[in-house]
Amino acid sequence: GNSVTQMEGPVTLSEEAFLTINCTYTATGYPSLFWYVQYPGEGLQLLLKATKADDKGSNKGFEATYRKETTSFHLEKGSVQVSDSAVYFCALSASGGSYIPTFGRGTSLIVHP
Amino acid sequence: EAGVVQSPRYKIIEKKQPVAFWCNPISGHNTLYWYRQNLGQGPELLIRYENEEAVDDSQLPKDRFSAERLKGVDSTLKIQPAELGDSAVYLCASRGTGMNTEAFFGQGTRLTVV
Repeated sequence: GNSVTQMEGPVTLSEEAFLTINCTYTATGYPSLFWYVQYPGEGLQLLLKATKADDKGSNKGFEATYRKETTSFHLEKGSVQVSDSAVYFCALSASGGSYIPTFGRGTSLIVHP
Repeated sequence: EAGVVQSPRYKIIEKKQPVAFWCNPISGHNTLYWYRQNLGQGPELLIRYENEEAVDDSQLPKDRFSAERLKGVDSTLKIQPAELGDSAVYLCASRGTGMNTEAFFGQGTRLTVV
């Protein structure tokens, strides 16, 4: 079946530090990959996505590259801000799973001033 | 364009009581999902609808949970009777057609069973 594995959190950084949150996946078929962000008390918001191998998704300074050879979709940002503090979820949808979004357990990011 | 709307935002009930959650998806989205998110975890699928048909409900605890999507638009998720372990955030999401489209989520209903 489909599954997503994310690095454990919390990730604690100082403002302007470099961020990496690791995500690897297992999927039947050719998945689309997503990063969602969840702010406290809110639902999930799509941050970025990539739909085929070597695609790079980007938004608000965040980037992730679809790596089929390593089945990975790591999230990066060059300089984090306090306002980036949230929980980040890696997700996939694939034909082998009826395109049902499957999520990792989330990685909490805490950015200090 | 309005997003996915859920209500209520918060609900506190005593165990053994019934509770219902409502979801209005994005207009034109035929696919609707209900997820449950336990504290510190990712969302887990409860049920998927394609229009008014429930096509994936293997994770729905059918002894106490039920859902409906009359007319293929709004959906209701019900728990009767609620148990302490049902405390979680219940998320509704909808998705348009196409292989690579993403799901859009509502703000969720935080249920506390006491």
